[in-house]
Amino acid sequence: QSVLTQPPSVSGAPGQRVILSCTGSSSNLGTGYDVQWYQQLPGTAPKLLIFANNNRPSGVPDRFSGSRSGTSASLAIAGLQAEDEADYYCQSYDSSLTRVFGGGTKLTVL
Amino acid sequence: QVQLQESGPGLVKPSQTLSLICTVSGGSITSGAYYWSWIRQHPGKGLEWIGYIHYSGNTNYNPSLKSRVIISVDTSKNLFSLDLSSVTAADTAVYYCARDRQDSVTVTWGQGTLVTVSS
Repeated sequence: QSVLTQPPSVSGAPGQRVILSCTGSSSNLGTGYDVQWYQQLPGTAPKLLIFANNNRPSGVPDRFSGSRSGTSASLAIAGLQAEDEADYYCQSYDSSLTRVFGGGTKLTVL
Repeated sequence: QVQLQESGPGLVKPSQTLSLICTVSGGSITSGAYYWSWIRQHPGKGLEWIGYIHYSGNTNYNPSLKSRVIISVDTSKNLFSLDLSSVTAADTAVYYCARDRQDSVTVTWGQGTLVTVSS
């Protein structure tokens, strides 16, 4: 069982906006630790999508945005495209600075 | 551009030690700006951080695995390695090596290697 909780699946039609949630607790997100989001396309290694809650690495489209509040974080994807179909993982830290991940959300583009 | 490549046995017997190597190319492992991590993914499951090492030898391990894990670095060969002892079927996973910035953000991943624990 993962330390951070994510819905197993989310779906949306092309062009829509979807939001993926990530819920933690007072010992991780609630402590103020940053959240990262990783995208894992089928059969590939994860790729950094969002770091430090709401920052995009170079090359990541601005359709992807992150936010964080209290013990929760979210990833928003606007203008959904077929190529966005992937697994998405949130990641933060616990009180011992151990990195913790969510169980992942499978995004299906209808 | 830095690239990482995992290598090692794809099959390990229960109770033995799983040993993997990550070869770093396109950059030096002695860059003080980075840490070098191992992360695993059980089949069809989420990600689990195993631990990291800095080229100076500083390490940090996941408490849940700490008693069985050793991560080491060989600066002369520009690689780092993972040893996981006393493995069971629960250690069957894809193992990724990765490069982390000093803010602990993983910015580069290897392609991953599947290790199966079975007799």
